[in-house]
Amino acid sequence: GAGVSQSPRYKVAKRGQDVALRCDPISGHVSLFWYQQALGQGPEFLTYFQNEAQLDKSGLPSDRFFAERPEGSVSTLKIQRTQQEDSAVYLCASSYRDMYGYTFGSGTRLTVV
Amino acid sequence: KQEVTQIPAALSVPEGENLVLNCSFTDSAIYNLQWFRQDPGKGLTSLLLIQSSQREQTSGRLNASLDKSSGRSTLYIAASQPGDSATYLCAVLGPYNFNKFYFGSGTKLNVKP
Repeated sequence: GAGVSQSPRYKVAKRGQDVALRCDPISGHVSLFWYQQALGQGPEFLTYFQNEAQLDKSGLPSDRFFAERPEGSVSTLKIQRTQQEDSAVYLCASSYRDMYGYTFGSGTRLTVV
Repeated sequence: KQEVTQIPAALSVPEGENLVLNCSFTDSAIYNLQWFRQDPGKGLTSLLLIQSSQREQTSGRLNASLDKSSGRSTLYIAASQPGDSATYLCAVLGPYNFNKFYFGSGTKLNVKP
């Protein structure tokens, strides 16, 4: 596609529910990133993939967060047993190769009630 | 850990003014610096990317400078327009890890007609 596509755009989850957020990067982009953006803050790094390999997951806030990219294209960020503090916009970005310009998706706004 | 600070947090100006947004970072060993624009409810749009070896980049009415040794960047917007109203985010790549952007909290700009 022409850009990075994320779905759903909005998700409301009850506390304790599991959620899955999807990211379709630009075709051919090797690198894929997930960021979390709390209200009024800048995005914070969660995890990084190069093709299907998850090379850095140092930003994942707890073991309730899990990301995968099994075929080196689409990626899913899963949050188990959601908590209110998980409410944020989750942004996905991809790039052709490291240190090149990054293209961000429009994000998924997660609200945990 | 890299810390990125943006000043001011918010700015309201009349249309036509030239303005400067500031960004500072604590560790100068960066690979590049990027300025993004974020509209409400939207993802990030890349405005300018400055590699660590460069001093400035220009695109239309936008000019970004980088002084890596002092840990500072400025985004200059000439002849501001109401359509420039958005949040502007500064992000640095590095140090050491070229897979992770560190973002500031942004400057929310309102250009009044």
